[in-house]
Amino acid sequence: AQSVTQLGSHVSVSEGALVLLRCNYSSSVPPYLFWYVQYPNQGLQLLLKYTTGATLVKGINGFEAEFKKSETSFHLTKPSAHMSDAAEYFCAVMIIQGAQKLVFGQGTRLTINP
Amino acid sequence: SQTIHQWPATLVQPVGSPLSLECTVEGTSNPNLYWYRQAAGRGLQLLFYSVGIGQISSEVPQNLSASRPQDRQFILSSKKLLLSDSGFYLCAWSVAGNQPQHFGDGTRLSIL
Repeated sequence: AQSVTQLGSHVSVSEGALVLLRCNYSSSVPPYLFWYVQYPNQGLQLLLKYTTGATLVKGINGFEAEFKKSETSFHLTKPSAHMSDAAEYFCAVMIIQGAQKLVFGQGTRLTINP
Repeated sequence: SQTIHQWPATLVQPVGSPLSLECTVEGTSNPNLYWYRQAAGRGLQLLFYSVGIGQISSEVPQNLSASRPQDRQFILSSKKLLLSDSGFYLCAWSVAGNQPQHFGDGTRLSIL
């Protein structure tokens, strides 16, 4: 069965520093992977996705993620944090059985220090 | 372009009262529709999904039910709310294939 583990429920970085949010997945088939961001009291917004092809995917707001099959990882990075990046981030793997279902990690709350 | 609407944004209900949350999608046909619950400090739990009118699949046993009376309308209901039903409810849609789900702005449900 597919599952997702996000390492670190809280991550704090300084403004301008590198952001690294970790995600490891478990899947018996080639995975489809997603990162979503959630601002307070809002729904989830898609940051980026990996389906097939290039393993380094670029998303919105300067974020990118690299699919590493050998490490079963899909870590999210951004070279320079901005105050507006403070939010909760969710990694998800897709299960396709009839309807596509997403299995989410528990989320990582990102805090940006001035 | 496609849009998704959820209402109400916030709801405070007493224990034992009924519930109806509505979600509609515009700009697409025959979407897959989903209801999630997000409890405080926790991840998202898939409650129901639907691949067509009248077709509902339940992921977890619970006090809630879902219905899809029209192609782009998805309703979450309960006859009697429990304290444990509190949370943030999110509706989402997707098209077939490996495409991502798109989420509404959610409903914050508080049970007193």
